[in-house]
Parts: sequence; C-alpha cells; structure tokens
Amino acid sequence: GESVGLHLPTLSVQEGDNSIINCAYSNSASDYFIWYKQESGKGPQFIIDIRSNMDKRQGQRVTVLLNKTVKHLSLQIAATQPGDSAVYFCAEGSSNDYKLSFGAGTTVTVRA
Amino acid sequence: EPEVTQTPSHQVTQMGQEVILRCVPISNHLYFYWYRQILGQKVEFLVSFYNNEISEKSEIFDDQFSVERPDGSNFTLKIRSTKLEDSAMYFCAARDGRLNTEAFFGQGTRLTVV
Repeated sequence: GESVGLHLPTLSVQEGDNSIINCAYSNSASDYFIWYKQESGKGPQFIIDIRSNMDKRQGQRVTVLLNKTVKHLSLQIAATQPGDSAVYFCAEGSSNDYKLSFGAGTTVTVRA
Repeated sequence: EPEVTQTPSHQVTQMGQEVILRCVPISNHLYFYWYRQILGQKVEFLVSFYNNEISEKSEIFDDQFSVERPDGSNFTLKIRSTKLEDSAMYFCAARDGRLNTEAFFGQGTRLTVV
C-alpha cells in the first residue's frame, strides 16, 4: 500500500505486505528529518531519522528515502504487522533551528 | 529508553482558569519543547527552551502562555486564562546537547477546557 501524506491521510494495508508512507516537506533549509509513530493516546515515538547528506537509511524493517530535489520523504515498512497500526508523522528540522515541524500525519491500518 | 514524564495525564478546567502542565525531561538533556495536538490534527510546535530562556516560539504561543524551569528539573507550561480552543493534547519533548538528534516525547497531558 502507498499514501501521499497530506492528500491521502489514511492507508489500509494487508498484514505481511509492505507499506509506503509519503511526506512532502516545506522548508528547503531543513537538513534533518524524522519519522514518528503515534499510537492512540500516546506521544510520538521515534522510528528513524535521516540527514540531508543521505538519500536512504535503513533500520529494522523500516527504510527512509529522501529526495531533496522535490522535497519528498518516504517511509517504507517491510512485512507490515498489526502492531504497525498507528498515525505516522514526518518531522523536519534544521541545524540552525531548535524546533521540529510536523507534517499532517498518515493513519495506517493493518488488515489481518 | 530515556523517558520524559508529564503530569497530569488529564486536566479538566473551566474557561478562564489558569492551568499549569508539568514535565520532567530527561536528565542531562538541554533542549526542551512544548507541542500541542488538537484532536485528529497534526502536532504543532509551541515553544523551545534552552539555557533557561525561550529560544523560539510559534504564533500559537501568545501572551497567555508562559514556560519556566523553576528548579532545574521540572519544565512547566502555564496557560493564564484558558479558552475552549486550548483543549488539546500537550506534549513535552527533550533533546540532548546536540541539535540534530531525535526529540523524546512524553505521553502528553490531555487538557479539556469546559
């Protein structure tokens, strides 16, 4: 399954399939990006980050891709599990800035 | 994993009343933040705090809001005269001394203004 972030805020994916969540960021000066996962009633939880000098970074079952040319960030989740059901936010920051700015979020629902 | 602790978990207050939301950041972390999330919406930046002063604040953080770290441990957000539209989840976050590192978030305080 694949989403386009702000334009498609929900994603339904079959358990075991791969998920792709997209995010368009706004600030050309941003050089640091994070994906957060937020489960119901909880605070955002760090998943993976990437700096602007990279275009790909892999973690456990997750991969983040960064395309600075079009200011696009994506999160790929391999073999999606029921526990992956949550809202996923991308966040951007810069070396000259103290804050992280969050995107609108994509709700991922995993079907058994 | 490091933990940011927030109290209370839920606060109900009458419109016009003052509320104080409390956060115990991770020890040795130097950058602190407050964010809010209105139900069903994205997480919005309110304010950042470093070296005992505000580093940056958003348009949301008007004169009704203030932050302080009175005892070097607790980090508080005060809303002087709450409005209905202040109802939201308020998250505290902390980062260590390096800017380009993840921010750890607390579990949040749900503020309901009635």
